Amino acid sequence: EAGVTQFPSHSVIEKGQTVTLRCDPISGHDNLYWYRRVMGKEIKFLLHFVKESKQDESGMPNNRFLAERTGGTYSTLKVQPAELEDSGVYFCASSQEHTEAFFGQGTRLTVV
Amino acid sequence: QKEVEQDPGPLSVPEGAIVSLNCTYSNSAFQYFMWYRQYSRKGPELLMYTYSSGNKEDGRFTAQVDKSSKYISLFIRDSQPSDSATYLCAMSYGPGGSYIPTFGRGTSLIVHP
Repeated sequence: EAGVTQFPSHSVIEKGQTVTLRCDPISGHDNLYWYRRVMGKEIKFLLHFVKESKQDESGMPNNRFLAERTGGTYSTLKVQPAELEDSGVYFCASSQEHTEAFFGQGTRLTVV
Repeated sequence: QKEVEQDPGPLSVPEGAIVSLNCTYSNSAFQYFMWYRQYSRKGPELLMYTYSSGNKEDGRFTAQVDKSSKYISLFIRDSQPSDSATYLCAMSYGPGGSYIPTFGRGTSLIVHP
């Protein structure tokens, strides 16, 4: 069974540009989460989807971040326009109900 | 004060040593306590979780929760080089609240042959 997959694994963009990260959860997992880890800091929660609905987006840092989950399957996280402080590793995770969440390998975003 | 405090290390031990990893937390409402292991360039994977206080053992790993002291531990017996990774503690509210974990910074563990 395929795990959580994230694309791209690494992205380097210039300040002011737009970047879209993609997450494909494990098939059948209704819950999908986005997290971010800034260098030297903790992994921080960004938002939680249940199917296609945003259940909790309290962790989204500002309105430059937009997350979508089309048809309750894959999800995208767009950053527009990107700022230097957006650099970090973005993780996606999925789960069934309140069971164990499985993480993807992360997308390392570098804004220069 | 951060909700979850964890010493980032690195912690370097010889193969076969007993490893003790710890976290403290400030929010007494946390009920689920988890330990994740993260290898380099990989995502975190859940190692163990416990509900409320007590001990839980799984092979070479033992998780302990002391809610009165707001202190959790992970012990690794007979440590192996393959245990070298970053270990993250995490906790959540559980029933009646959110299951979304709050993470510590992670402790980097190096087990050398």
